[in-house]
Amino acid sequence: AQTVTQSQPEMSVQEAETVTLSCTYDTSENNYYLFWYKQPPSRQMILVIRQEAYKQQNATENRFSVNFQKAAKSFSLKISDSQLGDTAMYFCAFMSNDYKLSFGAGTTVTVRA
Amino acid sequence: GAVVSQHPSRVICKSGTSVKIECRSLDFQATTMFWYRQFPKQSLMLMATSNEGSKATYEQGVEKDKFLINHASLTLSTLTVTSAHPEDSSFYICSKITPGSMGYTFGSGTRLTVV
Repeated sequence: AQTVTQSQPEMSVQEAETVTLSCTYDTSENNYYLFWYKQPPSRQMILVIRQEAYKQQNATENRFSVNFQKAAKSFSLKISDSQLGDTAMYFCAFMSNDYKLSFGAGTTVTVRA
Repeated sequence: GAVVSQHPSRVICKSGTSVKIECRSLDFQATTMFWYRQFPKQSLMLMATSNEGSKATYEQGVEKDKFLINHASLTLSTLTVTSAHPEDSSFYICSKITPGSMGYTFGSGTRLTVV
């Protein structure tokens, strides 16, 4: 099984500012996918961003971007111009070749007005 | 986008009874679906992989006789918690692979409370 580590249980950010969530993982595979999912209080899992390991270019989705460092096995998420609706729990996830997802412990993000 | 319907959203049952949770793919056929369990403020833990027309594959430590999975059609997978006990109280989520995106689509989850 793959190990995904999120070392920040909680993060707080002022509205309109930027916050970065860290994620590291451990794998011996060369081809895989990494994800960040958002789980708001409704508990519906929502895909935020996806990164293919074979792509060197960091993925971006509007205000969300990642810093993917394959050699370091690091996959951080940056939320720019934070909005109140960004308040949620964020999970880093690794998908291996068998399509199973391994999740990190999660980081609770609170955006302050 | 891909849609997964999970039902019920909440259920309260008495200890010793069984509860069935349904997960339905409303758009694309899903030969494989996944079942997760999530305790409050914790991560999602994969319980089993549901395979249409064959037996489910359970993760280590998950009791297959307690958590019965049936994937009888290409659009429906069910999880039955048998002889439920209070420690089975949790949030259960199903998911499927989203075609063409290598991502997952998740159901809205079921909050099970065993009293």
